[in-house]
Amino acid sequence: KAGVTQTPRYLIKTRGQQVTLSCSPISGHRSVSWYQQTPGQGLQFLFEYFSETQRNKGNFPGRFSGRQFSNSRSEMNVSTLELGDSALYLCASSLMEAGTEAFFGQGTRLTVV
Amino acid sequence: KNEVEQSPQNLTAQEGEFITINCSYSVGISALHWLQQHPGGGIVSLFMLSSGKKKHGRLIATINIQEKHSSLHITASHPRDSAVYICAVRGGGATNKLIFGTGTLLAVQP
Repeated sequence: KAGVTQTPRYLIKTRGQQVTLSCSPISGHRSVSWYQQTPGQGLQFLFEYFSETQRNKGNFPGRFSGRQFSNSRSEMNVSTLELGDSALYLCASSLMEAGTEAFFGQGTRLTVV
Repeated sequence: KNEVEQSPQNLTAQEGEFITINCSYSVGISALHWLQQHPGGGIVSLFMLSSGKKKHGRLIATINIQEKHSSLHITASHPRDSAVYICAVRGGGATNKLIFGTGTLLAVQP
């Protein structure tokens, strides 16, 4: 059974640009959560989707957005990139909307220059 | 004060030693996760606990709901156990949102 797949693995963008990251959950999993990891702030929750609906949103500016498709794949978008957006972005998939184990992808390392 | 506190932040051990990493939290939870992260970023889920104790190989995780405290133990540590260990909690309700501790960087020396 394939794991959680995140693409791309690495990305370099310029300030002001926008970026879209993709997460394909484990087959059959309907919940996808996104997290940002930086050396200064550690792991922080971005958003959570279940059955194409955003269930929770973390304390991030509106430049950060996401969506989930009918096949449970999810994308997150960051517009008007800032240097501080450089981070490892991780997604996790779970079978149900709550109460089940989280499986993490390898992450997308975004560098903003 | 962070909602999830881990100690120690850094830990160096000799191969074969018994290791304990602690996690305290201040919020109501439905489950607590112990995660392992190696250099390069990927996170592996080690345990998901809501009560009691779980064991997998040389790893043991315990949780005391009344005291809001969990511990991760590694018996007979090995250099391949070197990684960052992260405690994360999930609140109640219909959510998979995790709140993370700051992690414990473990180095096991041969």
